[in-house]
Formats: sequence, structure tokens, C-alpha cells
Amino acid sequence: NAGVMQNPRHLVRRRGQEARLRCSPMKGHSHVYWYRQLPEEGLKFMVYLQKENIIDESGMPKERFSAEFPKEGPSILRIQQVVRGDSAAYFCASSPLGQEGQYFGPGTRLTVT
Amino acid sequence: GESVGLHLPTLSVQEGDNSIINCAYSNSASDYFIWYKQESGKGPQFIIDIRSNMDKRQGQRVTVLLNKTVKHLSLQIAATQPGDSAVYFCAEPGSNAGGTSYGKLTFGQGTILTVHP
Repeated sequence: NAGVMQNPRHLVRRRGQEARLRCSPMKGHSHVYWYRQLPEEGLKFMVYLQKENIIDESGMPKERFSAEFPKEGPSILRIQQVVRGDSAAYFCASSPLGQEGQYFGPGTRLTVT
Repeated sequence: GESVGLHLPTLSVQEGDNSIINCAYSNSASDYFIWYKQESGKGPQFIIDIRSNMDKRQGQRVTVLLNKTVKHLSLQIAATQPGDSAVYFCAEPGSNAGGTSYGKLTFGQGTILTVHP
């Protein structure tokens, strides 16, 4: 029973490039959440999605960031024109229902050079 | 505003001792809490959760206590082992305008637990 999967685990991008982070939820889970963690800080909520719907994107920066969870395939967090301040660990979590405990993936560590 | 926070940022214990990690919350309407463990370089790992209609819940070597009167939550780890060394977070789902909790989690600052052999 595979857990939440994220890839890539590590991603290096130069300033101005695009970063695409993928998340496959646990089997049977239809709710996906993205969080960002800066070094030595707690996780900060970014966006909450169900299949083909964005439920809450209140934590997403207004520009350059977008997320989707298509009917088929993984959820994608996309960061356009990356800047050094985007360097962080990005975690995806999933749950079977919106009110249950969330299960996290191993994260993608983005480094912007 | 609403927040979830921890009293102590670091905790050092000897192997075999019991550990207690504390968490305060400010939203009296909160009805669900979760404890996560995060080891270095890994994602948060679900440990245990508790609903507000309970004041205690036990798992394997862990117990969560909820005191709604003072809005305080604690995680107790029995017979702490070196493998328990990690950062521990309490977390709380957010609420929409109608007051119903849904999936967005607000995390506390975290407590670093170090277990010495």
C-alpha cells in the first residue's frame, strides 16, 4: 500500500526557470494539499485541491504559482520564473476526506541558484 | 487571530525516560487536532489525532491529552528511544466561514526532541 509519492525528490533550477513538482496521493484519497517549509520553520499551507477543483488557494502567492489536480494523473504544483526565495521543501499531503488526518509525502526540495 | 503554538522549542531526554511535548491553541471552536513527527530530511509522519469530544487518546507508546478548558494539548511518549528524535508538530484544521473544519492544516512552530542514549 504505497504512501503519498512526490517527485522529483530534489530539484535544482536557475533563477527565471520553471519548476514542476508532482504528487500522487495515497490510493483512495481524493483530497490533496500542498505545503511549503522553509529551513527551520513549520509547514505553511499553500493550496487544497480535489479532483479537477481548487478548494482553497489562500496560501498561494498571487503570482507565479499555480496548482492543479486533474481527473487523471498526479497533482502538479507549478512555479514559474523561480527566484531564490522559492528555495524550500514542498510537501504534498492527501486524505480520503477533507476532515481526516493528512498523510504526507517525502517532499521535493527545490533549490534555486 | 487563530493560532496553534508550542511552549517549548527544544526538549532533551535520556533514553527510557518519558517525554512530554506541549501545544497551546487559541481557537476555542477547534474540534480536531493532530500530532506529527518529522525526521530530518523527511515529510511529517502522522502520529495520533484527537477530537474535541475526547480528553485522552492512546496509541502505541504515545498518548495525547486534550484540556479544552485551558486550550492545551500534549503528546506523551513513553520509554523514549533514540529513534524518537525528531521535530514534533501539533496541527489543527482550518475553518471556513460557517465554522466547519476542513482540510487546511495550521502547524505549530515545532518542538525538537533529542533523545540521548
